[in-house]
Amino acid sequence: GDSVTQMEGPVTLSEEAFLTINCTYTATGYPSLFWYVQYPGEGLQLLLKATKADDKGSNKGFEATYRKETTSFHLEKGSVQVSDSAVYFCALRVNTGGFKTIFGAGTRLFVKA
Amino acid sequence: GAVVSQHPSWVICKSGTSVKIECRSLDFQATTMFWYRQFPKQSLMLMATSNEGSKATYEQGVEKDKFLINHASLTLSTLTVTSAHPEDSSFYICSARLDGDTQYFGPGTRLTVL
Repeated sequence: GDSVTQMEGPVTLSEEAFLTINCTYTATGYPSLFWYVQYPGEGLQLLLKATKADDKGSNKGFEATYRKETTSFHLEKGSVQVSDSAVYFCALRVNTGGFKTIFGAGTRLFVKA
Repeated sequence: GAVVSQHPSWVICKSGTSVKIECRSLDFQATTMFWYRQFPKQSLMLMATSNEGSKATYEQGVEKDKFLINHASLTLSTLTVTSAHPEDSSFYICSARLDGDTQYFGPGTRLTVL
């Protein structure tokens, strides 16, 4: 079945460090891919998305490229800030007419000043 | 941006009682709302899809008689956990679909069943 696997956390970085959170997926068909972020005490928010192979989603300095050949959608940011501390979820939605979104387990990021 | 609220944010109840959780879209109308369950350090698992004015569609393995979902209006969906037991203790999250790929999430409700 369809699934998402992302790196276990927590990930602890110093401010201005480079961030990579790995995400790979298994899906039938051609999924849309998403990264969601959950700040403490808040609901999940869409961070970025990509709907087809080689698309790059970007937002707030974060980027992820839809790699069909490696079935990956790794999240990157060149210079993290303390305010980026949150839980990040990779997700997919298979475009078969439904709207079922499948989430990874989430990766908690701590950024130290 | 669009806001989805949940009430209560946390609830403690005795085993055997029923608990109702509300999910509201505050500034938009949502024809479709979703209910998820999240276990500690695990991903969100979709429980059911709720369409306004019709019966909810439950995912495989989710007991529809235990987790009653009502979507009576375009801004409100409720999840009732009936005859709750300790194994039902979890974090329940709703989301509301605005359009296309866009869904907005509530902050979640932590249920503890004693």
